[in-house]
Amino acid sequence: IAGITQAPTSQILAAGRRMTLRCTQDMRHNAMYWYRQDLGLGLRLIHYSNTAGTTGKGEVPDGYSVSRANTDDFPLTLASAVPSQTSVYFCASSQQGPSNYGYTFGSGTRLTVV
Amino acid sequence: SQQGEEDPQALSIQEGENATMNCSYKTSINNLQWYRQNSGRGLVHLILIRSNEREKHSGRLRVTLDTSKKSSSLLITASRAADTASYFCATAPRMLIFGTGTRLQVFP
Repeated sequence: IAGITQAPTSQILAAGRRMTLRCTQDMRHNAMYWYRQDLGLGLRLIHYSNTAGTTGKGEVPDGYSVSRANTDDFPLTLASAVPSQTSVYFCASSQQGPSNYGYTFGSGTRLTVV
Repeated sequence: SQQGEEDPQALSIQEGENATMNCSYKTSINNLQWYRQNSGRGLVHLILIRSNEREKHSGRLRVTLDTSKKSSSLLITASRAADTASYFCATAPRMLIFGTGTRLQVFP
C-alpha cells in the first residue's frame, strides 16, 4: 500500500540522548515535511524539504535537524532531547511543495522525553 | 503563529444530522485544505479549495471559501458515527499551516 512509514511508533527517551525518527515514502513525492502535534497547539512545522538535496526550516526548528539524501527518506534527528520535545511527530509528503497539493501523512511517532 | 482557527472547538451531533465547522485565517492564501484525524492516527486529506474558487463538493462534504472574510466552512451532510474525528483546516500562504481543529462526535 502506497504511503508513508514512520518508525518507531512510540519511544521513551532519556533527556540528553540523541534520537532519529525515520520517515520513508513510496509515492515518489518531491516534497516532505515534519510536524509536531501538541494538545491545544495543533500541528506546527519543524522542517521541510521541497526536493531531494534541499531542506528548510519551519516554525519550530530549534533542537531538530533533517537531511534529504534521496527522494524517499526524510529522517528527523533530535541531537540532545529535552522534555519540551515530548510530542507526537508526523511526517508528511506532497507531490510538489510547498502547498499546492494535499499532504499524505504517516501514522506518527509518539515521543516522550523524561 | 496560528494562521487558521476552527470554530467550534468541539461539536456533538446525532447520526443523520449535518455538521458545520468554520475556519478563519489571517493572511492571503493560495488555497485552503481540510483534513480529518481519527484518534491516534495521522491526518487524512479531505479537500483542497483554491483561492479563486467559492465552493467545492466531494461526496458528503461541501466546502465554501470567502476570501473577503478570510473564512471557510466545512459541511458534512447526513453524518455517520464513522465521521467522529478531529477536523483541521490548513491554509497555504506559502507553507501549509494548520489550525487547532474541531473535535466532532457523532452519536449513533
